[in-house]
Amino acid sequence: DGGITQSPKYLFRKEGQNVTLSCEQNLNHDAMYWYRQDPGQGLRLIYYSQIVNDFQKGDIAEGYSVSREKKESFPLTVTSAQKNPTAFYLCASSISGSKAEAFFGQGTRLTVV
Amino acid sequence: GESVGLHLPTLSVQEGDNSIINCAYSNSASDYFIWYKQESGKGPQFIIDIRSNMDKRQGQRVTVLLNKTVKHLSLQIAATQPGDSAVYFCAENPNSKLTFGKGITLSVRP
Repeated sequence: DGGITQSPKYLFRKEGQNVTLSCEQNLNHDAMYWYRQDPGQGLRLIYYSQIVNDFQKGDIAEGYSVSREKKESFPLTVTSAQKNPTAFYLCASSISGSKAEAFFGQGTRLTVV
Repeated sequence: GESVGLHLPTLSVQEGDNSIINCAYSNSASDYFIWYKQESGKGPQFIIDIRSNMDKRQGQRVTVLLNKTVKHLSLQIAATQPGDSAVYFCAENPNSKLTFGKGITLSVRP
């Protein structure tokens, strides 16, 4: 089945540690996105990538990093510089261009203690 | 599950009534708009989209209206059902950067 997969669903880390969230898609989509969701805040864009080996900062990129070495994969690293990392993280993908719906993964709930 | 609807504006409707969910967008350059539905603990799901050269688009039980003059988007759900209870987001896509509104919680009363 085609789709977009995020893993793990729940993730716990100690404060000060970097952590990487996985996002894989087999939809042959060029564009991929990472969002953060907090209660009452909607979805805020962290990073996005329109093509392999290229990505752009979204609205809240500070404390995060990404890579796009393969078309299928767009991992997100939450670094120790992110001051409030506990949140629900959502990955999405779409065909390239501005008039295409995005398909979402089921999200990763990150809790930093 | 994830309490994504906590603190969001809430629309409460009676089962069987029609629902209207409104959204104001910010970017005049946006030429494509999408409505998503998100259930607790899950990722958003596509409902319907509309391009800026249209004013109205209908799907199954849903209609999206676009008013570019006032930068306003609305989602109408006919004969609202308990399964429609969720958080609804509008999204705009200027320059291939998909951005979302804050969302509205739809609560359906039996």
